[in-house]
Amino acid sequence: GQQVMQIPQYQHVQEGEDFTTYCNSSTTLSNIQWYKQRPGGHPVFLIQLVKSGEVKKQKRLTFQFGEAKKNSSLHITATQTTDVGTYFCAGYSSASKIIFGSGTRLSIRP
Amino acid sequence: DAGVIQSPRHEVTEMGQEVTLRCKPISGHDYLFWYRQTMMRGLELLIYFNNNVPIDDSGMPEDRFSAKMPNASFSTLKIQPSEPRDSAVYFCASSLGTSGGAWFGPGTRLLVL
Repeated sequence: GQQVMQIPQYQHVQEGEDFTTYCNSSTTLSNIQWYKQRPGGHPVFLIQLVKSGEVKKQKRLTFQFGEAKKNSSLHITATQTTDVGTYFCAGYSSASKIIFGSGTRLSIRP
Repeated sequence: DAGVIQSPRHEVTEMGQEVTLRCKPISGHDYLFWYRQTMMRGLELLIYFNNNVPIDDSGMPEDRFSAKMPNASFSTLKIQPSEPRDSAVYFCASSLGTSGGAWFGPGTRLLVL
């Protein structure tokens, strides 16, 4: 069946360092979404990418969708303590089935 | 809008008891999802509805789990009988179509003793 793999599982960085999480699907996706979940909270929608090769930015966050629409990445420039949380990608297949990645838990040393 | 509303927020029950989780989606949203989150298995999609009709329930772990959506503003997830391995956070989420993001509720933290 369709799988969405996300790496790394954990990332511990010094405040101010950059952070990247990668998402890979076993099948072509119609679109991909990214979510952030703070400790003890619920996933919060960040963004959706639809087009092949699409790049979107939200302040210090840069999201990319691969040319083959099977992979995606989220890059955070100059992390801040407010970036702490788990970042999930979620891929929609052509059958409108959404599969969440396993998430990358980001922790930050002040 | 108040967002997705879930109740109860916390539930502690004993093995063998029936558990009912409730969800009120955002008004106007036509998709409703039930997820389960555990440390071991991450975020799992259990079932989702489109216009109150169950579309995919392949994620429902076993016959002890059932979900209903009698109208556009209410859904339930029932576990009967409950088992300790059902302990998890259960999220309900809703969306407008599949081209926008899903809005998650605060979750129900279930502990089965």
